This record gives sequence, C-alpha cells and structure tokens, in this order.
Amino acid sequence: GEDVEQSLFLSVREGDSSVINCTYTDSSSTYLYWYKQEPGAGLQLLTYIFSNMDMKQDQRLTVLLNKKDKHLSLRIADTQTGDSAIYFCAETEDSSYKLIFGSGTRLLVRP
Amino acid sequence: DGGITQSPKYLFRKEGQNVTLSCEQNLNHDAMYWYRQDPGQGLRLIYYSQIVNDFQKGDIAEGYSVSREKKESFPLTVTSAQKNPTAFYLCASSMSNKRGEAFFGQGTRLTVV
Repeated sequence: GEDVEQSLFLSVREGDSSVINCTYTDSSSTYLYWYKQEPGAGLQLLTYIFSNMDMKQDQRLTVLLNKKDKHLSLRIADTQTGDSAIYFCAETEDSSYKLIFGSGTRLLVRP
Repeated sequence: DGGITQSPKYLFRKEGQNVTLSCEQNLNHDAMYWYRQDPGQGLRLIYYSQIVNDFQKGDIAEGYSVSREKKESFPLTVTSAQKNPTAFYLCASSMSNKRGEAFFGQGTRLTVV
C-alpha cells in the first residue's frame, strides 16, 4: 500500500542549509508535495514536483527527486528562525483524490 | 480575500455528545476534505467530497458524518460513536484538476472533557 516516511526531527543553526528527507512507496505517484505547518495552524503548500522532473528550485527552496530510490528531499537555503515548523511530504496518484502525508519533520532553527 | 475558514478554533465535548465542526470556503473549489491530525502523526483522511451532494469515506470515517449541501460548506459531525475524538481537525479544499494543491483552514482543536 501507499506509505510516506520522514524523519521526525531536524535541528539547524540560523543561516545554515536544512535538508528534509522523505521516502515513498507508490511508484505511480504523479506529483509530490511539500507542505509547511506552523504551530496551531493549518498546512500551507510550499512547493511540488512532477514525477518526471529531477529538481525544482523556487527561491530558497530546492526539491530533489530520485525516482529510482523513491526519495524526495527539500533543501532550505539560509534557514531562518521563521522557517521553524513541521514539514510534511505528500503524494497523490492520478486515480485518487487522496493526499498521502508523511508523519512530518519538525524543523527547529537555533539562533 | 479568498480562503477557507474553520470554526470554532477550540471545541470541548462531553462524552456521549455529538458536535459539528464548520468549514466554509470562498475559493470556488469543487473538492473539499476533512483530515484528522494526532501528535507525531501525519494527516489521516476522514471524508472527502468532489462535488455538491456527493461525498466518500476516507481512511478513518467511522464515528464521523458529513454533508455537502452547498459548494462552499462541508461540515463535519463527530458523533458519540467516535471513541477517541480528541484531536486537531483540518479542513481543506482544492480545484478538481489540482487535487494535491490543497488550501487548508486553521484547524479546530477538539477536546473531550
């Protein structure tokens, strides 16, 4: 069945780069997404990548996709304290209305 | 401004009571969703609706009910049959052809007292 896995916690120093990793099992995934959740709030779509792409860059965010290993990563350059949040990886299939979410990675940015 | 609004932000329920969580969107989205979030876990889909007057069960629908009488509104009722309802509930909406690009409400935190 479908499954999306992420490490639970990442701590970085302000100004460093953060890399959040995700693995997924469904090879039919069409799109893969990164969402951000700030404390006590809903989720906000950060970026997404189509499955036939290897990389997508959007300002400080870089998404890398390795389809062979079913591995997705989100790199945040020059991480700021405002980037502290939970980051969720998610996937969809063509035939499904479901977004399958990972358990989220809590990013803590230390001053 | 367009968006999706959930109310109330906090809700307390006595055991044995039904409670209804509100979700309204003015984004003209056809699809709407309810998710449940527990600490340290990802989001689990409760119900979703692709169009008015139609909805489908998600992965954890037992103990919940929904209605979709209007495009803008997708209320969720947590019934007394839901044995462990304390959680953070998130409503979302999306365009039908962009299912993964969901807009989320700010959530309702439900606590059983």
